Amino acid sequence: KAGVTQTPRYLIKTRGQQVTLSCSPISGHRSVSWYQQTPGQGLQFLFEYFSETQRNKGNFPGRFSGRQFSNSRSEMNVSTLELGDSALYLCASSLDRGPRETQYFGPGTRLLVL
Amino acid sequence: KQEVTQIPAALSVPEGENLVLNCSFTDSAIYNLQWFRQDPGKGLTSLLLIQSSQREQTSGRLNASLDKSSGRSTLYIAASQPGDSATYLCAVIRTGNQFYFGTGTSLTVIP
Repeated sequence: KAGVTQTPRYLIKTRGQQVTLSCSPISGHRSVSWYQQTPGQGLQFLFEYFSETQRNKGNFPGRFSGRQFSNSRSEMNVSTLELGDSALYLCASSLDRGPRETQYFGPGTRLLVL
Repeated sequence: KQEVTQIPAALSVPEGENLVLNCSFTDSAIYNLQWFRQDPGKGLTSLLLIQSSQREQTSGRLNASLDKSSGRSTLYIAASQPGDSATYLCAVIRTGNQFYFGTGTSLTVIP
């Protein structure tokens, strides 16, 4: 069974641009969560999607948005990029939303904002 | 706000040693606690998931314990190997799938 895949793996953008990251969950998984990892702040929760609906949202500005499609694939968009948005963006999927569900993480997309 | 702290931030041990990584959290109202490892430039690999009703979980050379009342979890690694070198992260899980991650412990096992 294929794991969680994220595209692209690496991305370089300039300030003010926008970016879209993609995540394909493990087949059959319906929940997709996004995280931002930086050296200073560590891993922070961005949002979670389940059945095409955002179920949870972390403490990030509105420039960060996402969506989930009917096949459970998810995209994350960051508009008006800032230098501080440089980070590793991780996507995780789980079969369902219950507290007993293990999340499986993708390899991440490393975004560099110049 | 849930805060998760991991001590030590970095650890270097000779191969074969047993070691303990610590994780503490401020809010005991959690569903589960999960331990992950992260290799440089890579995503996270789940190691152990402890449900709130459990006190420990074991997988091979790994044993994780959970004490909700004191807000602590430990990850015990027996007979460490160079392949265990990685960053270890604990995550506290509250409602839904919202994870709060610790700052991580960077482990180096010296051959």
